[in-house]
Amino acid sequence: GAVVSQHPSRVICKSGTSVKIECRSLDFQATTMFWYRQFPKQSLMLMATSNEGSKATYEQGVEKDKFLINHASLTLSTLTVTSAHPEDSSFYICSAFPGLGDKETQYFGPGTRLLVL
Amino acid sequence: AQKITQTQPGMFVQEKEAVTLDCTYDTSDPSYGLFWYKQPSSGEMIFLIYQGSYDQQNATEGRYSLNFQKARKSANLVISASQLGDSAMYFCAMREGRGAQKLVFGQGTRLTINP
Repeated sequence: GAVVSQHPSRVICKSGTSVKIECRSLDFQATTMFWYRQFPKQSLMLMATSNEGSKATYEQGVEKDKFLINHASLTLSTLTVTSAHPEDSSFYICSAFPGLGDKETQYFGPGTRLLVL
Repeated sequence: AQKITQTQPGMFVQEKEAVTLDCTYDTSDPSYGLFWYKQPSSGEMIFLIYQGSYDQQNATEGRYSLNFQKARKSANLVISASQLGDSAMYFCAMREGRGAQKLVFGQGTRLTINP
């Protein structure tokens, strides 16, 4: 159980285009999902918290107009990188929170590697 | 101040030996959770083990155990009988409070198991 998928796994795009990344919880409902970014040889940094039916909460320094988050259902959150530039190239990974339990852990998707040319 | 500190950028261990990966944390919240994740070269984050701040006993999951020393604010991961497949990045993370709270990650430790 507790499987999270991400699509696409890898994307290469031209500078100035927009890219949408989907995060799905496959066997549970997640009222809260998280989006992280990881640059090479670095740790994961939280970008935003995505709540179903409400606006996302962005971390300090993350541009909400550039990284659009939509949590339209209890199993799907999307991250859209608008007008992508080479500095947006990174590994984007989402996680989903299935609810209170003995571990209260988040389960991560496999990640999306974005390369902006 | 760093909330999660992993002081070992890299560790090299012989196969079948035990290895301890260090993690210290900093929080004033009495309720928190500590996690260890494994990240192989494919990038996925694999959940290994969890320790709650109110748990009386150290967590164990198969070959993984967490040496939780609350007074010292440390949560070291112990891997027994290491295997070649254990080679990966290992991240310690903390959640402050309960429920759907964000995770704060340490910088990670790259573990290499030598045959």
